[in-house]
Amino acid sequence: ELKVEQNPLFLSMQEGKNYTIYCNYSTTSDRLYWYRQDPGKSLESLFVLLSNGAVKQEGRLMASLDTKARLSTLHITAAVHDLSATYFCAVDSYGNKLVFGAGTILRVKS
Amino acid sequence: EPEVTQTPSHQVTQMGQEVILRCVPISNHLYFYWYRQILGQKVEFLVSFYNNEISEKSEIFDDQFSVERPDGSNFTLKIRSTKLEDSAMYFCASSYGRGIGTGELFFGEGSRLTVL
Repeated sequence: ELKVEQNPLFLSMQEGKNYTIYCNYSTTSDRLYWYRQDPGKSLESLFVLLSNGAVKQEGRLMASLDTKARLSTLHITAAVHDLSATYFCAVDSYGNKLVFGAGTILRVKS
Repeated sequence: EPEVTQTPSHQVTQMGQEVILRCVPISNHLYFYWYRQILGQKVEFLVSFYNNEISEKSEIFDDQFSVERPDGSNFTLKIRSTKLEDSAMYFCASSYGRGIGTGELFFGEGSRLTVL
């Protein structure tokens, strides 16, 4: 059974600082997603990572995937307040049956 | 840009009542899904649906739940007799395929269900 672990679960950052969220998963998968969720809102797709070594960047967020280590990272560069949200990784166990991590609550303090 | 739409956005119901949540997937998509998120918890897979039948379902998706594609556009989730623990945000999602190039999942805005 696929298990997905995210850490940290809570992250309080100062504006302008860098940090990384980690997502480990237990069995092979060919697709990993990162989502952002604001309180009471839907899941906003940030990245879809399909292959080993994949790296994608959008603004201050960069995601990478190491399928051999079964590890994905979401790196935040020079955080700003607008990035405050909950971030989930989700791993495709088979055919879009996604297994989500517990989520990382990110708070960026000015 | 095409999107998955869900109605209602919020429904309040009494325990034991039947609830139907509706979704309109992206028009050329072939695979449909329901996920749910209990407040403050992670998102969980409920069911996937293809070619008018369930492809896979989780342990959560017991006999109280059913899904249907009653016409060419809607995809519904029915909870027959709601329990307090069914209170959650329910997300519909769709994808064109399930393979590497075609399987990207698109989520709707969610339907919040509150059972009193």
